[in-house]
Amino acid sequence: DAEITQSPRHKITETGRQVTLACHQTWNHNNMFWYRQDLGHGLRLIHYSYGVQDTNKGEVSDGYSVSRSNTEDLPLTLESAASSQTSVYFCASSASVIGELFFGEGSRLTVL
Amino acid sequence: GQQVMQIPQYQHVQEGEDFTTYCNSSTTLSNIQWYKQRPGGHPVFLIQLVKSGEVKKQKRLTFQFGEAKKNSSLHITATQTTDVGTYFCAGPGRDDKIIFGKGTRLHILP
Repeated sequence: DAEITQSPRHKITETGRQVTLACHQTWNHNNMFWYRQDLGHGLRLIHYSYGVQDTNKGEVSDGYSVSRSNTEDLPLTLESAASSQTSVYFCASSASVIGELFFGEGSRLTVL
Repeated sequence: GQQVMQIPQYQHVQEGEDFTTYCNSSTTLSNIQWYKQRPGGHPVFLIQLVKSGEVKKQKRLTFQFGEAKKNSSLHITATQTTDVGTYFCAGPGRDDKIIFGKGTRLHILP
């Protein structure tokens, strides 16, 4: 069955370190998204991609970057982790731009 | 910018009671989607509404899309413990980015 997987599921890091969260989907979806979830804020869009070599900023993109070198993967990089980036991160993909989102199980990141 | 607001933020109901959550957008939406997230889980798609005034049912869940396509509601009849979780509405905003409401967390009292 097609799926979307995130790794690591849990990570603790220190302020200032670079962190990369992986997202891999086997749906063959062109559209991929990264959201962060914080209590009281719901799901906020960080970055998204509509295809290979395409990346776009979401509403909370500062301090984050993504790259899309193939259809299956959209890694999220925190260049210099900050405590404010402690959160649960969800990757999602979709077949159409405004269609149903399929979410991964999430990556819980703690920045000390 | 575009905002999607949900009320209430939290709701406690006795098992067997009904539950409703409301979603309002500051702009007209081409569609509205609803997701459910169980505690400790990830959001799971429930349904998408596209037409003005559309009503869809899934067993005990009834979804409505407003005539102006700026509001929506999810109603659960006779809640069960399996209904526990957070319910999110979401809609495409500027540049078709899917924007989520903050969700309504449902607690069921046995």
